[in-house]
Amino acid sequence: DAGVTQSPTHLIKTRGQQVTLRCSPKSGHDTVSWYQQALGQGPQFIFQYYEEEERQRGNFPDRFSGHQFPNYSSELNVNALLLGDSALYLCASSVTTGMHNEQFFGPGTRLTVL
Amino acid sequence: DAKTTQPNSMESNEEEPVHLPCNHSTISGTDYIHWYRQLPSQGPEYVIHGLTSNVNNRMASLAIAEDRKSSTLILHRATLRDAAVYYCILRGPSSGSARQLTFGSGTQLTVLP
Repeated sequence: DAGVTQSPTHLIKTRGQQVTLRCSPKSGHDTVSWYQQALGQGPQFIFQYYEEEERQRGNFPDRFSGHQFPNYSSELNVNALLLGDSALYLCASSVTTGMHNEQFFGPGTRLTVL
Repeated sequence: DAKTTQPNSMESNEEEPVHLPCNHSTISGTDYIHWYRQLPSQGPEYVIHGLTSNVNNRMASLAIAEDRKSSTLILHRATLRDAAVYYCILRGPSSGSARQLTFGSGTQLTVLP
């Protein structure tokens, strides 16, 4: 089992650009959540996708959007990048049955905005 | 939203037990207490969770106070591999939703050889 995979590993963009990050969930998982982790801080919840729809959203602007595909993989899109968007972006997958199911995290994508 | 309070950092010697405290004085009756840890250069990983009773698994034990206002994660024999940031997380109505994980700043555990 490959676990949760994310691509790319690292990414450098400039202000104003757009970026797409990708996530493949653990086998058998149908729910994908995205988190942003700034340096030295804990991860912050962005949103969660289930059945190809956004089910829950954290306190992030509309510049952050996502998508889930029929195979449960997911993308995170960020438009009009700001310097403050530089962070580690983590994807986590889980099964939707049971509110307290363990979330399995990928290694993250390190985004640097110059 | 209910908050958790953890010490910023702790140190332990290798092969000794470690007790990581967490205060959550405003916890609601249906909030579960979860612990995750994040090893260097990795995503967080689940450690353990509980509601009222103490819990044990292969990684750790979770001791929950009778009034549920605090809990302690116990690593029975710390190894160098246990050096990580440990997060105490409430999942339930107090955190907004049980679906998401609301991370604080966690406790940085250093294990000394």
